[in-house]
Amino acid sequence: GESVGLHLPTLSVQEGDNSIINCAYSNSASDYFIWYKQESGKGPQFIIDIRSNMDKRQGQRVTVLLNKTVKHLSLQIAATQPGDSAVYFCAENTPPDGGSNYKLTFGKGTLLTVNP
Amino acid sequence: DGGITQSPKYLFRKEGQNVTLSCEQNLNHDAMYWYRQDPGQGLRLIYYSQIVNDFQKGDIAEGYSVSREKKESFPLTVTSAQKNPTAFYLCASSIYPAYEQYFGPGTRLTVT
Repeated sequence: GESVGLHLPTLSVQEGDNSIINCAYSNSASDYFIWYKQESGKGPQFIIDIRSNMDKRQGQRVTVLLNKTVKHLSLQIAATQPGDSAVYFCAENTPPDGGSNYKLTFGKGTLLTVNP
Repeated sequence: DGGITQSPKYLFRKEGQNVTLSCEQNLNHDAMYWYRQDPGQGLRLIYYSQIVNDFQKGDIAEGYSVSREKKESFPLTVTSAQKNPTAFYLCASSIYPAYEQYFGPGTRLTVT
């Protein structure tokens, strides 16, 4: 099974509301996490990242929260806009089985729909 | 403009034919990756390369092959041995393995 998963596969919000997208990870050895945004038919775009020595990191209209105790990651988008409609992926940096090289493991994604 | 280019955007092939997808980057990144994405699914790692002339299998390497003769280029060949080749293929690169990866626009391959 996948080591990174999402609680909600779809999320629908009204324009102007705040959005929260959640992600659970299973590997306590993961030390770096990224959120990506993917619009339909395009490649994923980096949104924000966070290292395991931090609990919170803020960007422009986005905040990532990391709770290592329960292995949970969330992405908060403030004042959600129609242009925020996309699939959002979390990814964790985790060592593969039997090897020393870290790799990124991606969750399935959450589809965010912003209603005008 | 710095970035990653993939070509073509759409590719159609008949079953039984090999096809090569192009990926070029001018970011001076050492690490490059190929992912496959199916509808409603996350990204699955096919192959990755941390340095020129070296590459490793990812989670779903069967039926695929790669080469890394130049730092800038990491082409992926989808062979006739790949049972379900129709998918969206994404190439990415990063300065260091498993840290922030920059993605190309993707190639949508359809095999009939």
